[in-house]
Amino acid sequence: GAVVSQHPSWVICKSGTSVKIECRSLDFQATTMFWYRQFPKQSLMLMATSNEGSKATYEQGVEKDKFLINHASLTLSTLTVTSAHPEDSSFYICSARATDTEAFFGQGTRLTVV
Amino acid sequence: ILNVEQSPQSLHVQEGDSTNFTCSFPSSNFYALHWYRWETAKSPEALFVMTLNGDEKKKGRISATLNTKEGYSYLYIKGSQPEDSATYLCAFASGGNEKLTFGTGTRLTIIP
Repeated sequence: GAVVSQHPSWVICKSGTSVKIECRSLDFQATTMFWYRQFPKQSLMLMATSNEGSKATYEQGVEKDKFLINHASLTLSTLTVTSAHPEDSSFYICSARATDTEAFFGQGTRLTVV
Repeated sequence: ILNVEQSPQSLHVQEGDSTNFTCSFPSSNFYALHWYRWETAKSPEALFVMTLNGDEKKKGRISATLNTKEGYSYLYIKGSQPEDSATYLCAFASGGNEKLTFGTGTRLTIIP
């Protein structure tokens, strides 16, 4: 299957700082990328959907000014958690797909805000 | 809010035994049901995408069935092996195939 690379795999940051997570499709052009968040013992929850070259569509309850998503190229999307707080500590994972194909997941990023 | 439930949350199975678990989802506005296997520290791996009521799919020792009218899918593993240890996720798609609603997963541990 296709490969999606997500970095970093884990990150610890201080409260009030910003953290950027990258999601890259290594061997295909990702027209659509999805960002999910998973809190302990809960399911993967979709945060936003981004199409290359256009603004991301955020799910209800997800603050677009706090979770900045950029999908500037067909192989890279970034999620920036701005002014992170301890309650933003979670597991973040991306998936990417080409047009009319299934989506492939990255490995995920464990964010801890201290 | 769409409700996708998986049961059991976890189970331990002796190597060589067969097992199965359930995913239940809304029976209205069905589009597709996805199954993933997620090993620790790896990416979720797609197992099946099921779209038709009565669908049965098979991949090696793993198979899945789908009942869209009553809103459930079963995943079966025959002759469990240690490498089958993982969390198995199902995800429901309604309307178009764009957004997936995930269950919390079934964590399977195979006991050698």
